[in-house]
Amino acid sequence: NAGVTQTPKFQVLKTGQSMTLQCAQDMNHEYMSWYRQDPGMGLRLIHYSVGAGITDQGEVPNGYNVSRSTTEDFPLRLLSAAPSQTSVYFCASSPNLRVGNTEAFFGQGTRLTVV
Amino acid sequence: GQQLNQSPQSMFIQEGEDVSMNCTSSSIFNTWLWYKQDPGEGPVLLIALYKAGELTSNGRLTAQFGITRKDSFLNISASIPSDVGIYFCAGRQGGSEKLVFGKGTKLTVNP
Repeated sequence: NAGVTQTPKFQVLKTGQSMTLQCAQDMNHEYMSWYRQDPGMGLRLIHYSVGAGITDQGEVPNGYNVSRSTTEDFPLRLLSAAPSQTSVYFCASSPNLRVGNTEAFFGQGTRLTVV
Repeated sequence: GQQLNQSPQSMFIQEGEDVSMNCTSSSIFNTWLWYKQDPGEGPVLLIALYKAGELTSNGRLTAQFGITRKDSFLNISASIPSDVGIYFCAGRQGGSEKLVFGKGTKLTVNP
C-alpha cells in the first residue's frame, strides 16, 4: 500500500548542479503534480500532468522541467540548481475529474538545499 | 494566480479548547479540501467537501462548504496535543484539475 513515493528524502546540491526528484504512484491516478513549500508561502504548484504524455505549467515553473512517460512516474528535473530553489518539494496524485473526486494524495517530500 | 486566504496564520491554545479556522476566496470553488501536515511529513487529507452548504465530520473535526461557494471552515473540538501541526485548505474550481492551497494555519496545543 505504497501510495505516492518520493526519492530522495534529502538532497544537498551545489549551485549549477542538476538533479531529478523522483515521484511514483501505484494508485493508477491520472493527475500528478509537483509543489514546493516554503515558510509562510503554503504549497505552490510547479508543474502538473493530467495523463501520460501531457504536462503543463503551474504557478512557479521557472527552473524546473517535467515529463510523464508513464501513468506511474512523474519526475521533476532541476537543470541548473540555484539557492532560490532550496525548499521542500511534494509530489501529489489524484484521480481525474471523470472519477468524480479529486482529493490529492501526497508523498512524504524531498528536502532540497542548494548551496 | 488564484489564491485562498486562510486565517488565522497561527494559533496557540490549551488542550481541551475548541479551534476554528477558515478559508476565503474571491472566486467560486466546486471542491474544498482540508489537509493536516505533521512536521517532516506530507499533507494528509482530513475532510473533502463537494456541495455548497455541506457539513462533514471526521471524529472531532467538522468542516463546512460555504453556501456562497467562496469559503470553508474547519473546527476542531476538544483539542489534544497530537492536533499540533499545520492545517491547509485547498480548493478546486469547476473544470480544473488543479488544486489551489491556502498558506496554512499553524496550530500549537499546550498540554
